Amino acid sequence: NAGVTQTPKFRVLKTGQSMTLLCAQDMNHEYMYWYRQDPGMGLRLIHYSVGEGTTAKGEVPDGYNVSRLKKQNFLLGLESAAPSQTSVYFCASSYPEPTNYEQYFGPGTRLTVT
Amino acid sequence: KNQVEQSPQSLIILEGKNCTLQCNYTVSPFSNLRWYKQDTGRGPVSLTIMTFSENTKSNGRYTATLDADTKQSSLHITASQLSDSASYICVVGHMLTFGGGTRLMVKP
Repeated sequence: NAGVTQTPKFRVLKTGQSMTLLCAQDMNHEYMYWYRQDPGMGLRLIHYSVGEGTTAKGEVPDGYNVSRLKKQNFLLGLESAAPSQTSVYFCASSYPEPTNYEQYFGPGTRLTVT
Repeated sequence: KNQVEQSPQSLIILEGKNCTLQCNYTVSPFSNLRWYKQDTGRGPVSLTIMTFSENTKSNGRYTATLDADTKQSSLHITASQLSDSASYICVVGHMLTFGGGTRLMVKP
């Protein structure tokens, strides 16, 4: 049981390049989330999904797209990276909604956009 | 606007000492309040989850309190250890509004 895994762990992009971050969970969780964490700030929700085939916008969705084609995977895409997207990205999952249930986080992806 | 404010921003204590971290929130509606521990370079890990009806909850040397009337919570760490060095994050509500965290350093 690996929990929540993220790929890649580190990445450097040039402005305008695109990339996809992969999040995978093996706990059969319905809910999955993408957050970004910037220095001195709390985690901010980018997008989330309440089940396979569904996605919804969070607090800071601009510049990102997501897909949840399989229940265990949640992909975060950057179509045209900007320096403002330099951050640490965390994926999380929970079953079902996190009102009283644990939310499990992945180890993070450190992205630098130059 | 939903907000979660934590204090202090950073704290240094000696090993074996106790400390208390504070969390004030203006999140509505309130469903629950969580405290997470985040080690450097790692994802957050849940310490406690409290609902509206709970005013204290313990997890080993960690004890969280909640005053829903004043919208305040605290996390008390007893007999600190070097491994307690981390950021502690308060998270409030159904939509999980995150505080900025308190960075704790425990020195020998």
